[in-house]
Amino acid sequence: QVQLQESGPGLVKPSETLSLTCNVSGGSMSSYYWIWIRQSPGKGLEWIGYIYYSGSTNYNFSLKSRVTISVDTSKNQFSLKLSSVTAADTAVYYCARGSGYSGETFDSWGQGTLVTVSS
Amino acid sequence: QSVLTQPPSASGTPGQRVTISCSGSSSNIGSNPVNWYQQLPGTAPKLLIYSNNQRPSGVPDRFSGSKSGTSASLAISGLQSEDEADYYCAAWDDSLDGPVFGGGTKLTV
Repeated sequence: QVQLQESGPGLVKPSETLSLTCNVSGGSMSSYYWIWIRQSPGKGLEWIGYIYYSGSTNYNFSLKSRVTISVDTSKNQFSLKLSSVTAADTAVYYCARGSGYSGETFDSWGQGTLVTVSS
Repeated sequence: QSVLTQPPSASGTPGQRVTISCSGSSSNIGSNPVNWYQQLPGTAPKLLIYSNNQRPSGVPDRFSGSKSGTSASLAISGLQSEDEADYYCAAWDDSLDGPVFGGGTKLTV
């Protein structure tokens, strides 16, 4: 059974770049979409974007100018970079595996990591 | 403001049947399958229902999903205390070219 684990700094300063990595174990990255989703404190879920195992990407339109998702299948991991962060980017960030026609079914999730944006 | 609309809360007593609604539009629920996620307190969401009415392995058959037009519903029968959680619907949106979520429904048992 595939397992996902997020890692990265829990505190990022305003205007800097948030960087997270998701380690995938227990399964191959092939033929799946690899997803980042976030949840602001006390709020709902927001899809950030995905990368297909082959490298093609799709990002949430509202975040597109600041987001980069990359994959390294040789290391079984994928990463998120979100630039020019503000307090509004404070959230629990989840990585997930996506299946289905456009990766829209999130069938495995990491435990999530809280990232706080503050000086 | 979420693209999909869910009631913020729902409640029931043990053994009861409850339903949670999810309303969308022709660009999302009206033309794409709906998934449901369960988020127990302090944990990551978990896939509960996919493709409108399919249960992943391990999900009890007390949970069922349905879709009609631009709306979907999650039904939980034989309610148990461990069902107390937040429930989210989601679907691909053709106009936004990405998946969208409902705002979540907090179920109290």
